[in-house]
Amino acid sequence: EVQLLESGGGLVQIGGSLRLSCVVSGFTFENFAVSWLRQVPGKGLEWVSSISGSGSSTYYADSVKGRFIISRDNSKNTLYLQMDSMRADDTAVYYCVRSSAYYADYWGQGTLVTASS
Amino acid sequence: IVLTQSPATLSLSPGQRATLSCRASQSISDYLVWYQQKPGQAPRLLIYDATRRATGIPARFSGSGFGRDFSLTISSLEPEDFAVYYCQQRNNWQWTFGQGTKVEIK
Repeated sequence: EVQLLESGGGLVQIGGSLRLSCVVSGFTFENFAVSWLRQVPGKGLEWVSSISGSGSSTYYADSVKGRFIISRDNSKNTLYLQMDSMRADDTAVYYCVRSSAYYADYWGQGTLVTASS
Repeated sequence: IVLTQSPATLSLSPGQRATLSCRASQSISDYLVWYQQKPGQAPRLLIYDATRRATGIPARFSGSGFGRDFSLTISSLEPEDFAVYYCQQRNNWQWTFGQGTKVEIK
């Protein structure tokens, strides 16, 4: 069974940093790209970042480029998102997803990040 | 690429047919997926490549379209189908989503 479990969410000050983690199981991690998506409660979905299976290629939404860094440790089956220079509009539920081709075929349950002064 | 979903809300009764629309601002071939999201849950993949049902998705869900205009049809609404539906595409590794269509009980 494919599972993705996010952790690391919480309250962070505006301008501060937070690191999210996502531990996966049930599939060969290094064979798949993985991504972070986010959703402001009650609002729509937004793609944040993706990373290839090897970790050699990374992609970012313009809204987070230069502030967030996606990375992975294939030996630990873990995906990360380092979030720096946090802004109020980064407040959202962050989802870790397995990326099959160009879409998310499996989702984690999400972790809430709140950026506030 | 902007995806525009219509209508914003669809009010129907169980057993009725639901047709949801997603229009892309430029052609995306068949690189279009649909997700379903229920309150308090993560989204679930329904349809990929515009017309292919994901694993475990009931046959009452079907997708159609190519280029710019796409549809998701639920042939006969079950109580568990009342939810929000999103379409999504990828262009040069930039994923974008439609704003969602809420299917609510009339």
